[in-house]
Amino acid sequence: DAGITQSPRHKVTETGTPVTLRCHQTENHRYMYWYRQDPGHGLRLIHYSYGVKDTDKGEVSDGYSVSRSKTEDFLLTLESATSSQTSVYFCATRGAGAYEQYFGPGTRLTVT
Amino acid sequence: DAKTTQPNSMESNEEEPVHLPCNHSTISGTDYIHWYRQLPSQGPEYVIHGLTSNVNNRMASLAIAEDRKSSTLILHRATLRDAAVYYCILRDANTGTASKLTFGTGTRLQVTL
Repeated sequence: DAGITQSPRHKVTETGTPVTLRCHQTENHRYMYWYRQDPGHGLRLIHYSYGVKDTDKGEVSDGYSVSRSKTEDFLLTLESATSSQTSVYFCATRGAGAYEQYFGPGTRLTVT
Repeated sequence: DAKTTQPNSMESNEEEPVHLPCNHSTISGTDYIHWYRQLPSQGPEYVIHGLTSNVNNRMASLAIAEDRKSSTLILHRATLRDAAVYYCILRDANTGTASKLTFGTGTRLQVTL
């Protein structure tokens, strides 16, 4: 295991409120990713990072922003949560030159 | 992006081999074939990957067709713990260093006693 933790593990919030999800890794992996998983869909990439302060958009980035000020932390922010952002969010990491991604346990977010 | 096609579900008996198929007829020469699995209520985990040759590791074997248009993940002796959704993913080696993965809906494997 790559020592990935996600916090919180569960969250219920109201429409229009800001939400920040945290991914923390202890493996000093260079690359970090945020995915969301919804029923009937596989995981979809939201944003990813290829180093401290280096981030880029994935396929479903609208409504989300990210920040990476330290190697070990990758934050996903929903500036104004909507019901369509109700989902399970997974963080993943990958070491430089490695093939495999390691996934965290997920955060279940419900927006009411 | 090249896409993959997998059966929605498969069943297996415990301690028997399982062959999980994946079709990828539009695969390009720079696409690696990756397999991940997702156990219930967990994040996905890496299983195996390959480019052209068959591959073996402690978890499984990957058999790649000669024309690379299909592949098969082989679990040699299924256990109840292998019940999961298995994803076949193509990763383009030319997408730079990001190594982004595009997940489909995968194959749900049920293992029975």
